[in-house]
Amino acid sequence: AQKITQTQPGMFVQEKEAVTLDCTYDTSDQSYGLFWYKQPSSGEMIFLIYQGSYDEQNATEGRYSLNFQKARKSANLVISASQLGDSAMYFCAMREGNAGNMLTFGGGTRLMVKP
Amino acid sequence: DTEVTQTPKHLVMGMTNKKSLKCEQHMGHRAMYWYKQKAKKPPELMFVYSYEKLSINESVPSRFSPECPNSSLLNLHLHALQPEDSALYLCASSRGGGVEYTDTQYFGPGTRLTVL
Repeated sequence: AQKITQTQPGMFVQEKEAVTLDCTYDTSDQSYGLFWYKQPSSGEMIFLIYQGSYDEQNATEGRYSLNFQKARKSANLVISASQLGDSAMYFCAMREGNAGNMLTFGGGTRLMVKP
Repeated sequence: DTEVTQTPKHLVMGMTNKKSLKCEQHMGHRAMYWYKQKAKKPPELMFVYSYEKLSINESVPSRFSPECPNSSLLNLHLHALQPEDSALYLCASSRGGGVEYTDTQYFGPGTRLTVL
């Protein structure tokens, strides 16, 4: 079974609107971290936001927030007030407590912001 | 500062060439990584160095040879590559040690490699 699933291969959003990118995960570990990265067409993977399995509050970083629903094993990324520069590939990733240095990525979601 | 630098940005090489990719970080991170990424796919882990020692080798062919000369530098030596090795090669670093599942990896801009 896939450990990280991103069900939206591609999405459009209107500039200035909010958008939610879905991510579900599968782990039997109690300790794990969830990460979101942005990859523009230039190729660089840019770290956006982190949520730990024991964190009770949803993580927020500027226009990015993570809607963490532990019982549902979902960690959706919410981008508020979309900008043209948000057009990119977005990857959800997980590090499990028993997996050492391994970071497992989902298949990614391509977000396109329309003017 | 969360900067990881990689050189070169682009590399074109023949199948008989020997070349090297270089990665550098000055954040005091003790774990460094090489990933390979094909178009429209997530990155795939190749190697992990932890405290300058190779800790993970994900069954990568021997034509890829990693080297960690010091805690700030990571090299990937390439020899006798195949056209299917053409990809984006990403380097990353993280603080290392401690509670690993909280350890954020920071990536460099990547090297786009084309093997002719």
